[in-house]
Amino acid sequence: DAGVTQSPTHLIKTRGQHVTLRCSPISGHKSVSWYQQVLGQGPQFIFQYYEKEERGRGNFPDRFSARQFPNYSSELNVNALLLGDSALYLCASSYDRREQYFGPGTRLTVT
Amino acid sequence: AQSVSQHNHHVILSEAASLELGCNYSYGGTVNLFWYVQYPGQHLQLLLKYFSGDPLVKGIKGFEAEFIKSKFSFNLRKPSVQWSDTAEYFCAVKSGYSTLTFGKGTMLLVSP
Repeated sequence: DAGVTQSPTHLIKTRGQHVTLRCSPISGHKSVSWYQQVLGQGPQFIFQYYEKEERGRGNFPDRFSARQFPNYSSELNVNALLLGDSALYLCASSYDRREQYFGPGTRLTVT
Repeated sequence: AQSVSQHNHHVILSEAASLELGCNYSYGGTVNLFWYVQYPGQHLQLLLKYFSGDPLVKGIKGFEAEFIKSKFSFNLRKPSVQWSDTAEYFCAVKSGYSTLTFGKGTMLLVSP
């Protein structure tokens, strides 16, 4: 079975722009979570979706939004990008919202 | 809110040395505990997990961890490290259906 996939792998954007990151969970997994990992830190929780409903939100500004589609894939959107948004964005999927499996991440650089 | 503390940010060991990485968490209720590993250039992988039962859990590649509830700790151990264990190690905690709270990570460098 394929693991969690994310696209794109790398992205360079300019301050003020908008970005959309995509995630496909492991087949059969209905929960997707998004994390931000900045250099030297552990991943920080952004959103969790289960059965297409938001089930949790971390301490991130409203510029961050997400959604989950009927096929359980997910998008993370970030508006009005700031330099501080530069990070590795991780997607994790879970069957039962207990054990999470991570994708390779999308490296976002904001210039 | 939960917090996770990993005691060492960087650890350097020689091959065959024993490893223990400390992890403490703040939440006093029922928790699920995890150690994840990130090898250079690779994504986060689950090393081991604790949900309930025997507090000594064994994971992949000879790693084990012990859950000590009274100390709010979940330390990772390996009797003899290899060069291939060079990686960043993250402890994470989860309560109920909440999401994961990670520590800041420990970078382990094993010299051959």
